Amino acid sequence: SAVISQKPSRDICQRGTSLTIQCQVDSQVTMMFWYRQQPGQSLTLIATANQGSEATYESGFVIDKFPISRPNLTFSTLTVSNMSPEDSSIYLCSVDLDRVRNNEQFFGPGTRLTVL
Amino acid sequence: EDQVTQSPEALRLQEGESSSLNCSYTVSGLRGLFWYRQDPGKGPEFLFTLYSAGEEKEKERLKATLTKKESFLHITAPKPEDSATYLCAVQAERDSWGKLQFGAGTQVVVTP
Repeated sequence: SAVISQKPSRDICQRGTSLTIQCQVDSQVTMMFWYRQQPGQSLTLIATANQGSEATYESGFVIDKFPISRPNLTFSTLTVSNMSPEDSSIYLCSVDLDRVRNNEQFFGPGTRLTVL
Repeated sequence: EDQVTQSPEALRLQEGESSSLNCSYTVSGLRGLFWYRQDPGKGPEFLFTLYSAGEEKEKERLKATLTKKESFLHITAPKPEDSATYLCAVQAERDSWGKLQFGAGTQVVVTP
């Protein structure tokens, strides 16, 4: 498995501001993923972050709103830009350690964001 | 369009009372079906990946099975510490690695 940490664990922000969420993994991984879990709903993939290339965004998510960085094989950031109350969610990063042998995806503890 | 439907939405069990959770799915080309456990305020905890119909996997009191249209998570003689939300997710062959489509989850409460 992998040990994944996220910062901050929670935050309360004002509308119109931006928040950057950090994700750190204890081992090198090729692919990292960012998910959103809105209140009372299940998880939805925002984007895939590969080291050395642009992130790949899912339908309904755009780079201007959710810019992602992936500077190395153990770290990624997700920024939630120009926030509105609809962005209030739990944001989770995940990693896929070895999809060839064991297709297992591990999640971080999440960042609980409240936008006022 | 792919769909993942979990039932029931909530389940209340007495300690020791075995039960099953259902995950029905429609997807063109299943690469894998995943089960996770999620405790309040935490990220999902990986339990199992199933790949083909007939496959079964076990971990402590949990056993996951897979058919061509659905998966079951059997909880045998549950304990209060098994209380959590159980999430099912599918990965389609046509999708990028890492894209999991999640169901809404089943919230399980086990009382002593």
